[in-house]
Amino acid sequence: SYELTQPPSVSVSPGQTASISCSGDALPKQYAYWYQHKPGQAPVLVIYKDSERPSGIPERFSGSHSGTTVTLTISGVQAEDEADYYCQSADSSETYVFGTGTKVTVL
Amino acid sequence: EVQLVQSGAEVKKPGESLKISCKGAGNSFTNYWIGWVRQMPGKGLEWMGVIYPGDSDARYNPSFQGQVTISADKSITTAYLQWRSLKASDTAMYYCARRLYVSHGFDMWGQGTMVTVSS
Repeated sequence: SYELTQPPSVSVSPGQTASISCSGDALPKQYAYWYQHKPGQAPVLVIYKDSERPSGIPERFSGSHSGTTVTLTISGVQAEDEADYYCQSADSSETYVFGTGTKVTVL
Repeated sequence: EVQLVQSGAEVKKPGESLKISCKGAGNSFTNYWIGWVRQMPGKGLEWMGVIYPGDSDARYNPSFQGQVTISADKSITTAYLQWRSLKASDTAMYYCARRLYVSHGFDMWGQGTMVTVSS
């Protein structure tokens, strides 16, 4: 089955930049989406179609795509950004997959 | 405010059946794909399946095909996730989510339904 692979954890100091990668063989042909998931809350879409930011998402969240890897970048990390982050992609037949997830810890 | 409202937490015994729900509002529900996502305790998000309430076209993750049934009633703007015979391994938080209209991300999520299966 198709998989999206993320690093299990990323640690970053406040004000620094966090980068989270997501790798998958089908990514060259598919858009990627990113979610922030905090304990006890529903996931929140923070990036769609590789690099677009939904209304209300801070500008410090950005996304990029190169070949089989997509990257979520959080610039000027704040304490409130501590959460699990998941990438996700899908094909045109409505088959979806989530990445393995990355726990972002703000030191 | 447009939102998805899920049914409340459930505690069931192995072998019992269960149907949980996800209610949306009007065209913001009927004309969008609605997905179901599982999160087992301490684990990541897993896509289970999606349904288009307008015509009840449902697609499943092969890992969940035959284990659950996804359905919808567009007249009451509600989607469902159903089990015929629960197992302890079905213990998880289940989220419904609305897919973006023109791409494959989920922009609106329900609050989640916790399902606990224990003897």
